[in-house]
Amino acid sequence: DIQMTQSPSSLSASVGDRVTITCQASQDISNYLNWYQQKPGKAPKLLIYDASNLETGVPSRFSGSGSGTDFTFTISSLQPEDIATYYCQQYDNLPPWTFGQGTKVEIK
Amino acid sequence: EVQLVESGGGLVKPGGSLRLSCAASGFTFSSYSMNWVRQAPGKGLEWVSSISSSSSYIYYADSVKGRFTISRDNAKNSLYLQMNSLRAEDTAVYYCARKSLDYPGAFDIWGQGTMVTVSS
Repeated sequence: DIQMTQSPSSLSASVGDRVTITCQASQDISNYLNWYQQKPGKAPKLLIYDASNLETGVPSRFSGSGSGTDFTFTISSLQPEDIATYYCQQYDNLPPWTFGQGTKVEIK
Repeated sequence: EVQLVESGGGLVKPGGSLRLSCAASGFTFSSYSMNWVRQAPGKGLEWVSSISSSSSYIYYADSVKGRFTISRDNAKNSLYLQMNSLRAEDTAVYYCARKSLDYPGAFDIWGQGTMVTVSS
């Protein structure tokens, strides 16, 4: 199974800061990588698909990049409503489709 | 409105069984692969099972293989998860999630989740 290593596990940043989360796959997954946002007590929400494509309706301050084994998720200017846990997810070929451990983003 | 609504969660003893349901509305259910994803309290997301649009392809995580059975009824716009031989480690919120047609690897619609607690 493909393992996804996400870091950091948590971070604290100020409003307006640039926030970066990384996700590393245990093998080459091309661009088969998605990012989700989960607010407390809520279901996850798709933000980025295929490593770098913004889901419809998602603010442009969110972005993703990478291919192969190394991926990055960025919030260009952190807003109070971005407080959440963020997960990467790979979907290379057949299941199991695996998620990273999550990154909890808090306001400093 | 595109919506998924789970039901059937609750408290069950170890070794017991439970059947979860997911009611879909607002889209052509029969066109989509559907999934169950779970989240143990305070933990991350774990994909559990997937079923293709016509039930031709079914997959399970190793952690539930042989104990859980996924199924669907396209006429009723419903997805199911039959959970047998439940263990304490199956305690989690269970989400049903739609697999996108436009970007096939992504879960683009999620339900609100239903809590399953396995405890004596």
